[in-house]
Amino acid sequence: GESVGLHLPTLSVQEGDNSIINCAYSNSASDYFIWYKQESGKGPQFIIDIRSNMDKRQGQRVTVLLNKTVKHLSLQIAATQPGDSAVYFCAENIGYGGSQGNLIFGKGTKLSVKP
Amino acid sequence: NAGVTQTPKFRVLKTGQSMTLLCAQDMNHEYMYWYRQDPGMGLRLIHYSVGEGTTAKGEVPDGYNVSRLKKQNFLLGLESAAPSQTSVYFCASSWAGATDTQYFGPGTRLTVL
Repeated sequence: GESVGLHLPTLSVQEGDNSIINCAYSNSASDYFIWYKQESGKGPQFIIDIRSNMDKRQGQRVTVLLNKTVKHLSLQIAATQPGDSAVYFCAENIGYGGSQGNLIFGKGTKLSVKP
Repeated sequence: NAGVTQTPKFRVLKTGQSMTLLCAQDMNHEYMYWYRQDPGMGLRLIHYSVGEGTTAKGEVPDGYNVSRLKKQNFLLGLESAAPSQTSVYFCASSWAGATDTQYFGPGTRLTVL
């Protein structure tokens, strides 16, 4: 989930297990949410997104859950693989529906997959 | 199709020097963005552009200027670099604004001594 200070939260999982990465977002008016994956030395890469009129969205091996009541977002990765090791960022946007808005990124969670 | 490219990949500056970071995209995207990423932090938006010839301030614009003279290029300038601008800079582009997928470049690591 979100970190305070300079130390990223770390999640360590065994290869083949499911991973759940959590994110608390800040603005109740946010209506669009995205998860990005960032491998070491690379730019962020889009994983999956969800709009506020949905509670759940599934992709290939990934599921995003949105709980607007408690302003919580989670990313579930099924059958985690070593290639999933990276820092995962959630981002929120309140601009949908007319105004541009901008993405506000969380501080990230580092996922380590043990073989 | 190279996507989003950034030059240079690395740069070391002395305090007070100036430089320009170049971002180029070949996806015909309207929107382009410059972010900075500091250790243990998420990305913070510096400036963005909603089309050729337009620019706008983001969350942390002070000390930076930008230009979008061509649709495919977005330049980030530092007129007088400061140690606080030591960071990794990422450029991104998208079709339709912040509610559309942003495609990121590989980043530029800048150190200001």
